[in-house]
Amino acid sequence: SQQGEEDPQALSIQEGENATMNCSYKTSINNLQWYRQNSGRGLVHLILIRSNEREKHSGRLRVTLDTSKKSSSLLITASRAADTASYFCATVNYQSNTGKLIFGQGTTLQVKP
Amino acid sequence: EAQVTQNPRYLITVTGKKLTVTCSQNMNHEYMSWYRQDPGLGLRQIYYSMNVEVTDKGDVPEGYKVSRKEKRNFPLILESPSPNQTSLYFCASSSLLAGGPTDTQYFGPGTRLTVL
Repeated sequence: SQQGEEDPQALSIQEGENATMNCSYKTSINNLQWYRQNSGRGLVHLILIRSNEREKHSGRLRVTLDTSKKSSSLLITASRAADTASYFCATVNYQSNTGKLIFGQGTTLQVKP
Repeated sequence: EAQVTQNPRYLITVTGKKLTVTCSQNMNHEYMSWYRQDPGLGLRQIYYSMNVEVTDKGDVPEGYKVSRKEKRNFPLILESPSPNQTSLYFCASSSLLAGGPTDTQYFGPGTRLTVL
């Protein structure tokens, strides 16, 4: 079963606006990763934040992590039409010995030109 | 360029005809894994491997086999494919953190399999 819950499930914005997606999870984690998937295509790794980090930046991406609330957010600033995709958070259980990534259901982002 | 490659990218086959989906990574990663992605069910782990000759079942291993004879390759074998194995398959690889779970996992481009 999927651990993560993403919110919102779908988001539609205009180019240039910021997009914020939220993710909640259930178990203790070692790290949380965000991925992008263009329609029916591969998963592209965006950013990893470790459990002892609170915020991380990469280009136009800003990720926050609140382990007390078991939640994370992904902010994409100055969005572009090319950012249109599904975004997933994924976690690895702290006690996992399988390395399995547990994915959320994803947020579908549409950026209108 | 660091990457995970999968072949074929698209495959249409018939029930019962054995097939292999190859996966190769050039990042010297110890850990490799297979996932399948289905609408409404998300991504589920099929098998994983911590290193050469070390493989184990994930959440949905039935109907699949894997092998890890070389560090860079992790093929997924469907001995007798059935229509319920129609799915989008992803291979992933990662380095292993010391004594713990995996680091960033890099995914291949996916293999879209249809079993008629």
